[in-house]
Amino acid sequence: QVQLQESGPGLVKPSGTLSLTCAVSGDSISNGNWWSWIRQPPGEGLEWIGEISRSGENKYNPSLKSRVTISADKSKNQLSLTLTSVAAADTAVYYCVRNGMVGFYMDVWGKGTTVTVSS
Amino acid sequence: EIVLTQSPDTLSLSPGQRATLSCTASQSVSSSYLAWYQQKPGQAPRVLVYGASTRATGISDRFSGSGSGTDYTLTISRLEPEDFAVYYCQLFRDSHYSFGQGTNLEI
Repeated sequence: QVQLQESGPGLVKPSGTLSLTCAVSGDSISNGNWWSWIRQPPGEGLEWIGEISRSGENKYNPSLKSRVTISADKSKNQLSLTLTSVAAADTAVYYCVRNGMVGFYMDVWGKGTTVTVSS
Repeated sequence: EIVLTQSPDTLSLSPGQRATLSCTASQSVSSSYLAWYQQKPGQAPRVLVYGASTRATGISDRFSGSGSGTDYTLTISRLEPEDFAVYYCQLFRDSHYSFGQGTNLEI
C-alpha cells in the first residue's frame, strides 16, 4: 500500500520561504511515476503546483514557476517542495501526490498539510 | 491557456437519483487527458475516472465518465449517501495540469 506523508512548518511569515517534505512508503520514487504537489486554499479548489520525474525532470505551473522548486532525495525516498516569497494567498492545504503510471491523472494522495502564511 | 468550467456549481439531489455533472473545456482537448475526482470534507481527493471514461481501481460501476472534444460528463447512476461531495474535473495539457472549479453535490 502506497502512502505519502507531508510534513513541514504550519506557519510561515510573509516574504519567507515555505519548505515541505513528503515521505513515500510502499513505492520507490525511482520507479516510472511522476510525483506532484497540489494545493488547495481554504474553501477553494485545487491548484497543481508542479511535478518531478524519476530522472529529476521538472514541470511547473506557469503561475508559480518563478517561485517553486520541487526536488527528490532518492536515498531517503522523499520529495521536497520549496516556495519562496510567500504571501497570504499561499495559505493552503498542500498535498503530495503520485501521478498515475498509465494516463495523466493522480492516483495516490497524501492526507495533506496545512500551511498558513501570517506574521 | 485552456479553462475548464464545471456546471452546475451546486447540484441538489436525493439518494437514489441520477446525477449528471458537466465539465466544459474552452477549446477541444484529447479525452485521454481528462480525469474526475471526488473530495469529501477534510479528505484528500480521490480519482474516479481517467481517460474520460476509464474507472479507477476500486471505483463503483455507478460512476461513469463520457465525452469528447470540449464537453465531458460524469454520471452517478443511483446516488448513495456517501456520494455527496465535491467533484472536480482535471486536464493535462501543454505539460501541466489544471482543474475545474468543482461541483458541490449536496443532499
